[in-house]
Amino acid sequence: GDSVTQMEGPVTLSEEAFLTINCTYTATGYPSLFWYVQYPGEGLQLLLKATKADDKGSNKGFEATYRKETTSFHLEKGSVQVSDSAVYFCAPDPPLGGYQKVTFGTGTKLQVIP
Amino acid sequence: KAGVTQTPRYLIKTRGQQVTLSCSPISGHRSVSWYQQTPGQGLQFLFEYFSETQRNKGNFPGRFSGRQFSNSRSEMNVSTLELGDSALYLCASREMEGSGNTIYFGEGSWLTVV
Repeated sequence: GDSVTQMEGPVTLSEEAFLTINCTYTATGYPSLFWYVQYPGEGLQLLLKATKADDKGSNKGFEATYRKETTSFHLEKGSVQVSDSAVYFCAPDPPLGGYQKVTFGTGTKLQVIP
Repeated sequence: KAGVTQTPRYLIKTRGQQVTLSCSPISGHRSVSWYQQTPGQGLQFLFEYFSETQRNKGNFPGRFSGRQFSNSRSEMNVSTLELGDSALYLCASREMEGSGNTIYFGEGSWLTVV
């Protein structure tokens, strides 16, 4: 099945630093790709998504571009805030209507210090 | 629309007991998945239900079981609890038809086995 590999954390950054969290995928086709975020004590929530190659997903200052040539979907943010401290998960999505299980990346913990 | 609702949020059980967790998906969502999250193993897929049928299953022992009702609500059960079952159990729902497969998570049920 489809899978992703995420960079290991934790990642510790100072406020206003640039963030990159790497994610590469392995898939038989071209699935939609997602980034989810989990804030402390909460469940996961969708951060952004891209449904096809060259699409850029963006939300809350975060961006990720679906790059078919490098099979990557790296998460970036130009200036992180303390409130961005969370665990970030990358995941591919099965084709519409598919019953394949969604395999999340291992998660990358981000800690932003003032 | 109300989000994914999980009950109870927190519970403590003794080794050897059993536990039942409940999940109400977003209205109109027919697929419900369950995940176990632990610090050491990350986010592990347990199973997915659609139209009251289990469609996918992760690599967990038979002590972990689930079911889905006609209104799409789901329950998971863990029998003969072990200390290692202490974890955050996340329920997620998604549409299987329409525009996409975004997964929506509940806030989780924190299970502590003592």
